[in-house]
Amino acid sequence: KNEVEQSPQNLTAQEGEFITINCSYSVGISALHWLQQHPGGGIVSLFMLSSGKKKHGRLIATINIQEKHSSLHITASHPRDSAVYICAVYNTDKLIFGTGTRLQVFP
Amino acid sequence: GAVVSQHPSWVICKSGTSVKIECRSLDFQATTMFWYRQFPKQSLMLMATSNEGSKATYEQGVEKDKFLINHASLTLSTLTVTSAHPEDSSFYICSASDPGRGTYEQYFGPGTRLTVT
Repeated sequence: KNEVEQSPQNLTAQEGEFITINCSYSVGISALHWLQQHPGGGIVSLFMLSSGKKKHGRLIATINIQEKHSSLHITASHPRDSAVYICAVYNTDKLIFGTGTRLQVFP
Repeated sequence: GAVVSQHPSWVICKSGTSVKIECRSLDFQATTMFWYRQFPKQSLMLMATSNEGSKATYEQGVEKDKFLINHASLTLSTLTVTSAHPEDSSFYICSASDPGRGTYEQYFGPGTRLTVT
């Protein structure tokens, strides 16, 4: 069993839909990172959080430390949101990565 | 702030040659840099961790003589793939952090796509 599990692995949506990606982890963490990777390969940091909730534009990330679970929400999804979304947790100074969620948003 | 660059963004080399990839932190001092490798449709795999001025720590299964890492300054780390073979073709990503800021947050470079022919 992976230490960081994401669901779903693949997700398709129509433009405008509300999207949720889930991440569960089984190790102790100091913080959790949500990352976005576009087809070109570059990785963009979306959020780093250790408690509660953060919001940036149409993106919202939440974390529940007791339940070892985090969610990434995208409101009013757009085709440009199509990417791989990766959950990664900080275990000491190292990152443990989930396998990613491939999101495709169709117009 | 916290921008990390990589050079080159892509490189094609012949089997048997060596290739150097640079990772630079542009606006902060990176005491620690990480090198990752990513195969198609797979997640990032940590290859090694380097701290400025000291030898890199390699993950199990990564050949230190094949993947030479140098972190000579607080803003530059290099990964040299020696005697490259087609199976070394991959996407290499670096990240940098400065724990002295009170956070372990890693900032990622844009990656380098290596193709060995």
